[in-house]
Amino acid sequence: GAVVSQHPSRVICKSGTSVKIECRSLDFQATTMFWYRQFPKQSLMLMATSNEGSKATYEQGVEKDKFLINHASLTLSTLTVTSAHPEDSSFYICSARDSGNYNEQFFGPGTRLTVL
Amino acid sequence: QKEVEQNSGPLSVPEGAIASLNCTYSDRGSQSFFWYRQYSGKSPELIMFIYSNGDKEDGRFTAQLNKASQYVSLLIRDSQPSDSATYLCAVWKNNDMRFGAGTRLTVKP
Repeated sequence: GAVVSQHPSRVICKSGTSVKIECRSLDFQATTMFWYRQFPKQSLMLMATSNEGSKATYEQGVEKDKFLINHASLTLSTLTVTSAHPEDSSFYICSARDSGNYNEQFFGPGTRLTVL
Repeated sequence: QKEVEQNSGPLSVPEGAIASLNCTYSDRGSQSFFWYRQYSGKSPELIMFIYSNGDKEDGRFTAQLNKASQYVSLLIRDSQPSDSATYLCAVWKNNDMRFGAGTRLTVKP
């Protein structure tokens, strides 16, 4: 399957700081990328859909000013958690859709964010 | 009604048995169906997808789709302890993919 990378894999930050997470599709172009959050022992929760060259579409209840998404190229989307708080600590996972291959969706390895 | 429903489990099967994982979906216009496996602390990995009624086999895995019943399943033959994970069903329609909550499978040696 296709490869999606995510960086960093783990980050610990102080409350009030901002954290940027990168998601890259390495061997295919992804016009659409997705950002998920997963709390321990819970299912994936879609936060937003990131479309290359346009504004992201946020799910209900997700603050767009707090979770900034930029999809500047066909292989890179970034999620910035602004003014992070301990309740933002979670496992953040991106995925990218390979529109040229049955719309299969491939996940990055995830970023574990811990806000102190 | 949830868009994609799965029994949360845990589903426990002995090693070597067939594990059967089920998923139902609410949108009759759904177009493609995916099964992902997620190990604890890791991100999901794609096992297989299906978009036509019937069975699709890939190694020890068989996906079954019945659009009339809005039902998709995953069979794992000769289950191994390494198959112990959470299995996520995903349904795609018009550039939108929705995930079920997942079924936790435990394969006991």
